[in-house]
Amino acid sequence: DGGITQSPKYLFRKEGQNVTLSCEQNLNHDAMYWYRQDPGQGLRLIYYSQIVNDFQKGDIAEGYSVSREKKESFPLTVTSAQKNPTAFYLCASRVGETQYFGPGTRLLVL
Amino acid sequence: AQSVTQLGSHVSVSEGALVLLRCNYSSSVPPYLFWYVQYPNQGLQLLLKYTSAATLVKGINGFEAEFKKSETSFHLTKPSAHMSDAAEYFCAVVHGSSNTGKLIFGQGTTLQVKP
Repeated sequence: DGGITQSPKYLFRKEGQNVTLSCEQNLNHDAMYWYRQDPGQGLRLIYYSQIVNDFQKGDIAEGYSVSREKKESFPLTVTSAQKNPTAFYLCASRVGETQYFGPGTRLLVL
Repeated sequence: AQSVTQLGSHVSVSEGALVLLRCNYSSSVPPYLFWYVQYPNQGLQLLLKYTSAATLVKGINGFEAEFKKSETSFHLTKPSAHMSDAAEYFCAVVHGSSNTGKLIFGQGTTLQVKP
């Protein structure tokens, strides 16, 4: 089955801790994206990558970091600098003009 | 700059009634437009897309949308609502003329279907 997987489904972060959200796709898509979703605010772009070993900041990149060492993988790290990390995080990949989304990871702060 | 406005954060219809979710966009270039649906605690699922072919676009689950350039609109409709249509719906436009593929999303519309 081709698709996008995100893990874990739920993630808990302690104060001062960095956490990493996984996003994997086997669709052979070059471009991948990370979004943050908060209630009533739609989706906001955190980072995106159009090709391996290259990525660009989105609209709300502060407090986040990414890597793109493999075409299939685009992990997102929420650093301790992100003071309000509680949100639903969505990963997507793109073919042509269309983005396809993973199932999401909900990050909660302890 | 591109933008998307979804009119009405909440829409409530009775089962069997017409569903109309409104989306207006602004774009300096011919737009690519999308509707996505999101069920609770799930990712976004593509309903349909407009990519400058036919102006009436048919999607999954009986939904369709019509691109109206003169009105800068891309409203989503379904003739008869089902209980399973209750979800949040997002309209989106591709950002600018660059090839980054970045999407600009509306704020979303929550559809409630009453029995």
